[in-house]
Amino acid sequence: QKEVEQDPGPLSVPEGAIVSLNCTYSNSAFQYFMWYRQYSRKGPELLMYTYSSGNKEDGRFTAQVDKSSKYISLFIRDSQPSDSATYLCAMFDTGFQKLVFGTGTRLLVSP
Amino acid sequence: DTAVSQTPKYLVTQMGNDKSIKCEQNLGHDTMYWYKQDSKKFLKIMFSYNNKELIINETVPNRFSPKSPDKAHLNLHINSLELGDSAVYFCASKAGQPGPAFFGQGTRLTVV
Repeated sequence: QKEVEQDPGPLSVPEGAIVSLNCTYSNSAFQYFMWYRQYSRKGPELLMYTYSSGNKEDGRFTAQVDKSSKYISLFIRDSQPSDSATYLCAMFDTGFQKLVFGTGTRLLVSP
Repeated sequence: DTAVSQTPKYLVTQMGNDKSIKCEQNLGHDTMYWYKQDSKKFLKIMFSYNNKELIINETVPNRFSPKSPDKAHLNLHINSLELGDSAVYFCASKAGQPGPAFFGQGTRLTVV
């Protein structure tokens, strides 16, 4: 069983939809949470970074962390075709001092 | 200005060969990583260096040897390449505190 579980998708939505992407984890040493976006044949690009439980908003993106449930989410409002990419959640393991990634969810936004 | 840069971007080579991938970061970060991304897009850590010292070696075969001449550079040398080594290799760097890493554009290695 992987340390971080993430539905691989693909998730197909029409332009303008609200997208919800999720990850679950089991390790309490995971204390810092990130979302990365990866376009085809490119490196992962940091989208959101948060530590506390609760919501953090940046433009059309909202990251949500629930440490009690070990569950994190990324919401994308007014999705655009340019949002089509793979979204990777990542967590910093404070015990082993490393970033652990989910498997990524492929998102397709159709015009 | 490229923050984390890797060379080469593409590498096609025959089984049994030895090859190197270079990585440089201009962010002033203390920690650098090598990650391997398989065909299913799963990113798995291979090595972590902090100020030129090896911190993490994630059960990677001895054929893989990282080298950090200074804290801005982390190179990866691979001996006796095998078909299963075909993947995309990413270099990343991170500032000293816990938090996000910043990735290079990747090196797509194909072993034939």
